[in-house]
Amino acid sequence: SAVISQKPSRDICQRGTSLTIQCQVDSQVTMMFWYRQQPGQSLTLIATANQGSEATYESGFVIDKFPISRPNLTFSTLTVSNMSPEDSSIYLCSVGARAGAGNEQFFGPGTRLTVL
Amino acid sequence: GQQLNQSPQSMFIQEGEDVSMNCTSSSIFNTWLWYKQDPGEGPVLLIALYKAGELTSNGRLTAQFGITRKDSFLNISASIPSDVGIYFCAGLGGSQGNLIFGKGTKLSVKP
Repeated sequence: SAVISQKPSRDICQRGTSLTIQCQVDSQVTMMFWYRQQPGQSLTLIATANQGSEATYESGFVIDKFPISRPNLTFSTLTVSNMSPEDSSIYLCSVGARAGAGNEQFFGPGTRLTVL
Repeated sequence: GQQLNQSPQSMFIQEGEDVSMNCTSSSIFNTWLWYKQDPGEGPVLLIALYKAGELTSNGRLTAQFGITRKDSFLNISASIPSDVGIYFCAGLGGSQGNLIFGKGTKLSVKP
């Protein structure tokens, strides 16, 4: 499986500011995704990061709040904009297997965000 | 939308005991995945299932893809303290490979 890293691993931010989270993969991957895991909860898909085009957002998530970039097949960023305490969560990127392989998704270590 | 019902929500067992957890849905899934998440870490893939009826093992772990494609179970045999964590099932059935996650089963093991 691919080796996935995320930066930062954790951060404490002030209300109203923005934070950009980076996800780096050690090999080219077809699919990259961003998830949110609120405290004590399961994972919820925010969006699919599409290389060369706008991300595809799930219901309840919008580009103005969570802008996403994917400039190439190994890197993506998620920005949490105009943060409020309700945005305190773990943010996880995941990658899908190469086209033609299985449907597994592999996760990065996550970014633990606390908004004061 | 699609939802997964995962049970039990939590389990407290003695070391050496076997564990069983399951996920059910009213929707059909094409793939079932089982993950384990340790505190402060991302979920780690344990087992992937692709065919209805498929039974797959990974060491002391065994998982099955239900014949109706609406459920899956995970068994852990002879539990050990490092099995402690949260186990998530995830089903794949939507477009673009969107995973739907269960709410997780928190496993505690007493030495």
